[in-house]
Amino acid sequence: SQTIHQWPATLVQPVGSPLSLECTVEGTSNPNLYWYRQAAGRGLQLLFYSVGIGQISSEVPQNLSASRPQDRQFILSSKKLLLSDSGFYLCAWSRIFTGELFFGEGSRLTVL
Amino acid sequence: AQTVTQSQPEMSVQEAETVTLSCTYDTSENNYYLFWYKQPPSRQMILVIRQEAYKQQNATENRFSVNFQKAAKSFSLKISDSQLGDTAMYFCAFMKPSSNTGKLIFGQGTTLQVKP
Repeated sequence: SQTIHQWPATLVQPVGSPLSLECTVEGTSNPNLYWYRQAAGRGLQLLFYSVGIGQISSEVPQNLSASRPQDRQFILSSKKLLLSDSGFYLCAWSRIFTGELFFGEGSRLTVL
Repeated sequence: AQTVTQSQPEMSVQEAETVTLSCTYDTSENNYYLFWYKQPPSRQMILVIRQEAYKQQNATENRFSVNFQKAAKSFSLKISDSQLGDTAMYFCAFMKPSSNTGKLIFGQGTTLQVKP
């Protein structure tokens, strides 16, 4: 069976510090991978998606970047965090032809 | 660009009763998928139900059913015999299969509280 894990679950970082959130998928190959951010009252905003190793598409210009160094690994990064980067970040993978997304547990980031 | 709107930020229902969550969307596509996802408190988001736009029959999954009105671009979720475990945030989502990216566009979410 397929599983998805992301970490850390909770993170408190000062403004200007770097960020690295990791996500790994097991039990499937060549998944489509996604990073979403969930803000109160604003639903889920798609930040990045990847259809293969090294292929990253950005949906929203911002302070964040994403990388996919391995087939089932997806990393969300920032060199210098802003207060506005605070939020709940969700990693997901999909069965592309059904559209079903499988989400990780989420990472709550607080930037102070 | 496609948009998804959920106009009810919060709703509540008594246990065992029926509740309907609303969702509208805007698209010029003819073929697309619609979804309802459930995010329980402190738990992973999961798929509740899926509807393909070319299918006229409304999707049903046990106590969950949808009312899909393609012309009106409306996609509501009905939960029958509500249970305490249905307490969660519910998201409506849209996908354009022709993009081959699997990207979902989500609404703002509706927080549902089931009361004993």
